[in-house]
Amino acid sequence: ETGVTQTPRHLVMGMTNKKSLKCEQHLGHNAMYWYKQSAKKPLELMFVYNFKEQTENNSVPSRFSPECPNSSHLFLHLHTLQPEDSALYLCASSQKTSGNYNEQFFGPGTRLTVL
Amino acid sequence: DQQVKQNSPSLSVQEGRISILNCDYTNSMFDYFLWYKKYPAEGPTFLISISSIKDKNEDGRFTVFLNKSAKHLSLHIVPSQPGDSAVYFCAASPTSGSRLTFGEGTQLTVNP
Repeated sequence: ETGVTQTPRHLVMGMTNKKSLKCEQHLGHNAMYWYKQSAKKPLELMFVYNFKEQTENNSVPSRFSPECPNSSHLFLHLHTLQPEDSALYLCASSQKTSGNYNEQFFGPGTRLTVL
Repeated sequence: DQQVKQNSPSLSVQEGRISILNCDYTNSMFDYFLWYKKYPAEGPTFLISISSIKDKNEDGRFTVFLNKSAKHLSLHIVPSQPGDSAVYFCAASPTSGSRLTFGEGTQLTVNP
């Protein structure tokens, strides 16, 4: 596997279900991100992890719970979601260096539908 | 309040001609700008970037222009090819930050 992979690619869940999205990066990066893309809206940053530590939570509801066990893996645990949470969830990674910004590399996304 | 705006949701261009995609921003703290391309069922892929110390960056058929006084940047693709048909996102960041702020995207269609 190369780049950034995400599983599953598609997920349909009920509002009472618990599910998890998985992201893995094979690029040796030290920062990982979760984004949400709703229809006709810009990508919205949800969470940022640097060296496994969460450095940003963009006021995301607690029904979304991220987990970063190591710098290559990122999870998004979902529980009691609402239909308006249906969206494309994108994972990204980058190599964060002091004072410099490097471009983020994205996975293909998980298309989530909440019934 | 949307800090990065792409006012054209779609653009249609003839093959071989120039495609010009525009982006405006409001946050004066932004000083690093990127363009991403997205095909259906794939994640965005990085295309080209520019730092605010420059006003132009070129990579093959792709050139990004930055007008800091107008808080405007544009992506020029010349010559356009049918394979360039995709959604193009503009993004901006403070240099030392991790946060990328994206525009809504512009769907480019290049007709053969």
